[in-house]
Amino acid sequence: AQKITQTQPGMFVQEKEAVTLDCTYDTSDPSYGLFWYKQPSSGEMIFLIYQGSYDQQNATEGRYSLNFQKARKSANLVISASQLGDSAMYFCAQGSNYKLTFGKGTLLTVNP
Amino acid sequence: DVKVTQSSRYLVKRTGEKVFLECVQDMDHENMFWYRQDPGLGLRLIYFSYDVKMKEKGDIPEGYSVSREKKERFSLILESASTNQTSMYLCASSTSQGLYQPQHFGDGTRLSIL
Repeated sequence: AQKITQTQPGMFVQEKEAVTLDCTYDTSDPSYGLFWYKQPSSGEMIFLIYQGSYDQQNATEGRYSLNFQKARKSANLVISASQLGDSAMYFCAQGSNYKLTFGKGTLLTVNP
Repeated sequence: DVKVTQSSRYLVKRTGEKVFLECVQDMDHENMFWYRQDPGLGLRLIYFSYDVKMKEKGDIPEGYSVSREKKERFSLILESASTNQTSMYLCASSTSQGLYQPQHFGDGTRLSIL
C-alpha cells in the first residue's frame, strides 16, 4: 500500500522568502505520479503541480517547483517569493492507476 | 477549466436520516471520487468510479454507498446517518487519458449530523 509522509505539521515563512515543504512516499509501483494540492481555509482543494516518476526534469509551475529525488523517494514542494495568499494547508499525494493517496498536510503561514 | 460542482457547501441532517451528496463535473471525465476529510487524518477515499454504473470501494466505504447513473454525476449516499459521519466531503474527477492525471476537486460539503 502507498504511504505519504509530510513531517511538518506547520511551517512559517516571511513574505517574499522561499519555503520548502517536505514529502516522502513509499510505493512499489514502477510508474506513478506525485502531486501537490493547496487547500485555503475556505476548503476547496486546488491542484498546483505534478511530477511523473519517469520525468527527468523537476516540474515547475510559476512560483511552484517540485524537487523530485527518486532514490530518496522524496517530492518536496518549493514555493518561491511567498505571498500572503499562500497561507493554506498543502497536501502531497502519490497516484497510480488513477487513485491518489494523500499525506496529512502541512499548514503554511506566511507572515508579513 | 474543469468544473466540479457539489450540491451543497453546508448541510445539517439528523441521525438516522438518509443523506444524498451530489457531485457533477463538466469535463467528460471517466473517473470520479468521493473523499472525506477530518482534522489530523487528511483525505480518505470512500468510493470511486471509473465508468458509468461502475464503482469500487476505497479505504473507508462502511456506512456509505454511491451511484453513478450518468457519466457527469456521482452521488454519495449515507444510508442511515450517524454522528461519526460528521465531516468535510470532497468530490473529485479525473480523466483516464494519459498518465499522471490530476484529480480536480469541488468546493466540498461540510456535513453535520446531529
